Amino acid sequence: EAGVAQSPRYKIIEKRQSVAFWCNPISGHATLYWYQQILGQGPKLLIQFQNNGVVDDSQLPKDRFSAERLKGVDSTLKIQPAKLEDSAVYLCASSPRLSDEKLFFGSGTQLSVL
Amino acid sequence: KNQVEQSPQSLIILEGKNCTLQCNYTVSPFSNLRWYKQDTGRGPVSLTIMTFSENTKSNGRYTATLDADTKQSSLHITASQLSDSASYICVVITSSYNTDKLIFGTGTRLQVFP
Repeated sequence: EAGVAQSPRYKIIEKRQSVAFWCNPISGHATLYWYQQILGQGPKLLIQFQNNGVVDDSQLPKDRFSAERLKGVDSTLKIQPAKLEDSAVYLCASSPRLSDEKLFFGSGTQLSVL
Repeated sequence: KNQVEQSPQSLIILEGKNCTLQCNYTVSPFSNLRWYKQDTGRGPVSLTIMTFSENTKSNGRYTATLDADTKQSSLHITASQLSDSASYICVVITSSYNTDKLIFGTGTRLQVFP
């Protein structure tokens, strides 16, 4: 089966610019996650969707980060304006539901903010 | 506070040698524990998933153990190969109010040299 697709693969921007990431989960997966992984650290959950509803966005910096999952399929994560500390890999993951053990990650988008 | 701690932070071994990575957790309620392998520049890939009742589970040269009493898990890699060079992340799943949360460790970075 096709995996979780993310784009772009890499992005370099200057601070205060805006950036958007896109994720297409595995077909049929109701749950979608966005994670931020800073170099040398484990992934940190930014937002979790169940279909097109938000389950958990408690760690999403809502003053600059936003995410949506229209129609409950693909999703976009936006940063506006970006800061230097936003430099990280942004991972998308999807699952039918966690008890299925079928949680798959995309390859991520590596963001560098200069 | 739900936490997952891994040790060592980094490890260097010679090709063909065995190694063991440790994971201690304080997560409640416990649903299951997973080990992921993350190659540089890629998303995490699941190696094993262990439920409360499982003590040992193998996946090729990878063997995971779980002691639910002491809240410890280990990942043993046998006859290491150069391709085992990666970060290994321990993830504990906690479930409450029909919502699953993934608690990530910071990972162990393994380097295998010829």
